[in-house]
Amino acid sequence: DTAVSQTPKYLVTQMGNDKSIKCEQNLGHDTMYWYKQDSKKFLKIMFSYNNKELIINETVPNRFSPKSPDKAHLNLHINSLELGDSAVYFCASTRTGVNTEAFFGQGTRLTVV
Amino acid sequence: QKEVEQNSGPLSVPEGAIASLNCTYSDRGSQSFFWYRQYSGKSPELIMFIYSNGDKEDGRFTAQLNKASQYVSLLIRDSQPSDSATYLCAAGDSSYKLIFGSGTRLLVRP
Repeated sequence: DTAVSQTPKYLVTQMGNDKSIKCEQNLGHDTMYWYKQDSKKFLKIMFSYNNKELIINETVPNRFSPKSPDKAHLNLHINSLELGDSAVYFCASTRTGVNTEAFFGQGTRLTVV
Repeated sequence: QKEVEQNSGPLSVPEGAIASLNCTYSDRGSQSFFWYRQYSGKSPELIMFIYSNGDKEDGRFTAQLNKASQYVSLLIRDSQPSDSATYLCAAGDSSYKLIFGSGTRLLVRP
């Protein structure tokens, strides 16, 4: 069973479109994250939810809107896609606490053309 | 701004050698430190975590932490070609935020 699963794995879309990426974890974790990894492999945190509550909201354009219907799901909706949004988006989850590892989904490679 | 810095590499070592990967962090409030390995096109996977000063060993891997110098390292003994990957250092604090470095690319030559 996949611990953290994201869909879709690949997403190619035109500028200006709206798209969503879904993430689900079956680990019973309380905290979920969205990270963006650019072409230089830099993993930058975007959002984090703890028990459905937004706790981290980094400087991200408001075209990006996360939604957590329950603590096992964290979706990412992106409006008016731009070329610069092209990247790999990773969902991750952790137990609550400081010294806990993050488990990552397989990533969604978003290409905006 | 909290930062984690790594040399991007590539770090090239021959098979069987020790690979030494280094990382510095800016936030003295960081409490836990993680090393992730990421193969091309794959997601990061945890190798080790450390939160106390000193060394922590797990098989061929040793993580070292020096909080006074704000320095974390990962040693890989008896490096194998299968160890060739990008190694990401991450620092966590009490705010649930895990900050990653940009990664060091390791190449192990057969």
